[in-house]
Amino acid sequence: SYVLTQPPSVSVAPGTTARLTCGDSDIGTTGVQWYQQKPGQAPVLVMYYDSDRPSGIPERFSGSNSDNTATLTITRVEAGDEAVYFCQVWDSSVDHVVFGGGTKLTVL
Amino acid sequence: QVQLQESGPGLVKPSQTLSLTCGVSGDSISSGTYYWSWIRQHPMRGLEWVGHIFRTGRTYYNPSLQSRLVISIDTSQNLFSLSLNSVTAADTAIYYCARVGAVAGPPYFDYWGQGTPVTVSS
Repeated sequence: SYVLTQPPSVSVAPGTTARLTCGDSDIGTTGVQWYQQKPGQAPVLVMYYDSDRPSGIPERFSGSNSDNTATLTITRVEAGDEAVYFCQVWDSSVDHVVFGGGTKLTVL
Repeated sequence: QVQLQESGPGLVKPSQTLSLTCGVSGDSISSGTYYWSWIRQHPMRGLEWVGHIFRTGRTYYNPSLQSRLVISIDTSQNLFSLSLNSVTAADTAIYYCARVGAVAGPPYFDYWGQGTPVTVSS
C-alpha cells in the first residue's frame, strides 16, 4: 500500500519556481492528483493523472511522476499560490484513496 | 456548475451516531456516471478519505471506518448521506462531500462542498 510522503513546508520567493514533491517507492505505478487548500476553504483540484490540468488552473502549474517521486511544479510563483498542497492516489490493491500529509507553500 | 452542500448537526455526543447529508445541484446523481464521496479533515491536519458511493448503491469505504460507516444515496432527492456510529473525539473534523471526477480510472475529486465542522463532545 502507499504511504505518501510530503515535506511539511517549502518556501520560495515570488517569481521563482516551486517544486512540491510526493514520495513513495511505488508512486510511479499510479496516477497522482494534487489539491490546493487555502485557509478556511475546501481543497481545489489543480492536477490529476500526474500532469492533466483541470480547466481554470493556470499553465504555471504542471505535474510529473516517475520512479519514486511525483512533483507539482509551479512557475512564476505568486502570493496567491500560498496554500497547503496535498497529493492523492488510489490504491487499487485495497480500493482505498490515500492522501499525503500536505506541504505548506510559503511565498516569501 | 456543480455545487455540493453539506448539512447536519455540528455537535454530536460520544458513542452516538454522526449523520450528514450532501445536497447536489448542477448534476444529476440518478443519471450521471460519477461516484460521490465523503472526505474529512481533522483539526490542523491532513485529509482522510471516508468513502464513496455510486447511484446504484455500490460503495467503497475506508477500511479504518468500515465497521462504523454507512454511506447511502437518494437519487430522487439528488443527495447522498453519511452515517458514522459510535463516535469518539477522534471523529471531530471538518467533513467535506465531493464528486469523484473520474468516469473510469482512478478517482480524483473535482468538485467539493464548503465543508461542515463536526465536534464530538459531551
